[in-house]
This record gives sequence, structure tokens and C-alpha cells, in this order.
Amino acid sequence: RKEVEQDPGPFNVPEGATVAFNCTYSNSASQSFFWYRQDCRKEPKLLMSVYSSGNEDGRFTAQLNRASQYISLLIRDSKLSDSATYLCVVFSGNTGKLIFGQGTTLQVKP
Amino acid sequence: DGGITQSPKYLFRKEGQNVTLSCEQNLNHDAMYWYRQDPGQGLRLIYYSQIVNDFQKGDIAEGYSVSREKKESFPLTVTSAQKNPTAFYLCASSILSGETSNQPQHFGDGTRLSIL
Repeated sequence: RKEVEQDPGPFNVPEGATVAFNCTYSNSASQSFFWYRQDCRKEPKLLMSVYSSGNEDGRFTAQLNRASQYISLLIRDSKLSDSATYLCVVFSGNTGKLIFGQGTTLQVKP
Repeated sequence: DGGITQSPKYLFRKEGQNVTLSCEQNLNHDAMYWYRQDPGQGLRLIYYSQIVNDFQKGDIAEGYSVSREKKESFPLTVTSAQKNPTAFYLCASSILSGETSNQPQHFGDGTRLSIL
């Protein structure tokens, strides 16, 4: 079983739609969580950190469920420019390393 | 402007050849990392370094070597022992929090390596 698992998608949604991605992690000792965005053939860029109480940044909301060991990313009012791959990233306290999921691809259509 | 610079952007390797990928950062970050990304897959950690003159193997270190002689620089050498080197290589850096790195990492724009 992978340490961090994501549905690779692609998720195809119309502009203006709300879309949610989940990510599960296997290490209960994981301490920090992030969502990164990666455009085609580009480097990943930090989208947002995920805090225990949940956090929002404009149209983006991230939530953490430690009991079920998953994090989520909600995108409201999708824009064409949101089309990208979204990487779930978990910091493993045991190993001191970030573990990357394989990413979920989002395609927003006009 | 602070950031991470990787060079070259594209690199071709001949059979039996070692090649070195450059990574420089002026963010004053202590920790630096090298990842490999294959199509449709997540990033896999090759090597990382949390302090000058020290580095640790990641999950797929075989066929690679690194050095960390300066805080700003963390070059990666892909040796001839790496039989499947074609991939997108990403360098990242982060600040350290306490003894472990749980801060987000910032990435360079990558080097695409191909076999000739």
C-alpha cells in the first residue's frame, strides 16, 4: 500500500463547478500536510498548507481528518486556470521526509 | 529575487556517461532535496541534505551521487550505474523546523534528462 494515495482522475468539470479531492495517508504519525499544484511539464508549487482546524484561501478549502487519515481539497467556482495536477504531500515524522502522492488531474472545461 | 535555479533545463546522456545536474538556491535554506518524477507518477526522493557536508539517501539513491560543499549548492550526478535515467529531475529546498523538516518545500523548475 502506498504511503499517500490519491485518485489520479482526471476530474473533468465545467467552469463554475465545485470539485473535491481526497487523499489518504497510511502513517498515523504524520505531522504536516500540504497541497501542491503542478502544471504540465512544470515544477510543483505550494498551493496551501493543511491545518488541523481546516483552512481556507479564497476559493480553496483544505481539511484534515486525522481519525480517518485523509485530507481533502475543495475548489469552488472552478476556473479554466485551475486545470492542473494537485499533489497531496504528507510529512512523515518517522523518516523526516515529505511523501508525495501521485497527484489528481483536474480539467476545467468552458 | 530569491529562488532556486536548476540547470540545464534539458540534458542528454550517452551510454556509460556521468552527467551532473546543477541546483543553486539563494533563499538561505538549510535543507535541499533531489526528486525524480516519471510520467503519471509522484515525486520520489533521491537524496537530501539538511546541513553542509552532510547528506542522506532517499528512496531511490542507487545510481546517483550528490555533494553539499556549500549551503547554496546541491549538485546531483547521474552515474552510468543508473540504467533508466530518463525522467524529470526536481531540486527543492526548505527551512528546517527544529530537528526535522516539516516546512513546505520550494522547487526549482526542473531538468529533463534523456538518453541518447
